[in-house]
Amino acid sequence: EAEVAQSPRYKITEKSQAVAFWCDPISGHATLYWYRQILGQGPELLVQFQDESVVDDSQLPKDRFSAERLKGVDSTLKIQPAELGDSAMYLCASSLFALGGNTGELFFGEGSRLTVL
Amino acid sequence: KQEVTQIPAALSVPEGENLVLNCSFTDSAIYNLQWFRQDPGKGLTSLLLIQSSQREQTSGRLNASLDKSSGRSTLYIAASQPGDSATYLCAVTSYDQAGTALIFGKGTTLSVSS
Repeated sequence: EAEVAQSPRYKITEKSQAVAFWCDPISGHATLYWYRQILGQGPELLVQFQDESVVDDSQLPKDRFSAERLKGVDSTLKIQPAELGDSAMYLCASSLFALGGNTGELFFGEGSRLTVL
Repeated sequence: KQEVTQIPAALSVPEGENLVLNCSFTDSAIYNLQWFRQDPGKGLTSLLLIQSSQREQTSGRLNASLDKSSGRSTLYIAASQPGDSATYLCAVTSYDQAGTALIFGKGTTLSVSS
């Protein structure tokens, strides 16, 4: 069964270090999302890609976060430097299309759990 | 700005009981609404997707309804089982967003005891 792959599953890092997360969406899915989920809260969007282009990164803290999807397939989310408040689950999702605002069904990966010490 | 609220935050029921989870959203201009399940420490699994033109969707023991005009959706779970224990999240895609990403509620954590 096709699935969204994410790595690493767990990452522990010290404050001020750099950290990167990788996501490989379901084959053929043009739209890719990175969400952040703090414990006990719902996921919040960080960035949305349509193919290799950024559609929405209005909630991405650009002073320390960056995201890319160079070939319109897999994607990397980077944090540099990490802060204590960045401790959260980072979720990647993909959908087949996002046409005229209609996303279709979203499929999520297992997430990357970040702990910043 | 679209906001999604889920009530109750937590729910405990005995096995076999039928139950309803509630979701409300502030702006009725939505493309669709999705219900997800999340097990502890895991990602989200899509349960049901309701397009704005639809009133309900069914999958097995799950039935989700949508009343767009009142800004409400319910997820009905029939004959609950211990394996249904998880957090259930509701999310909508709105017209007022720059992109097309889902806006989530905080979820309802369900515990079904045997």
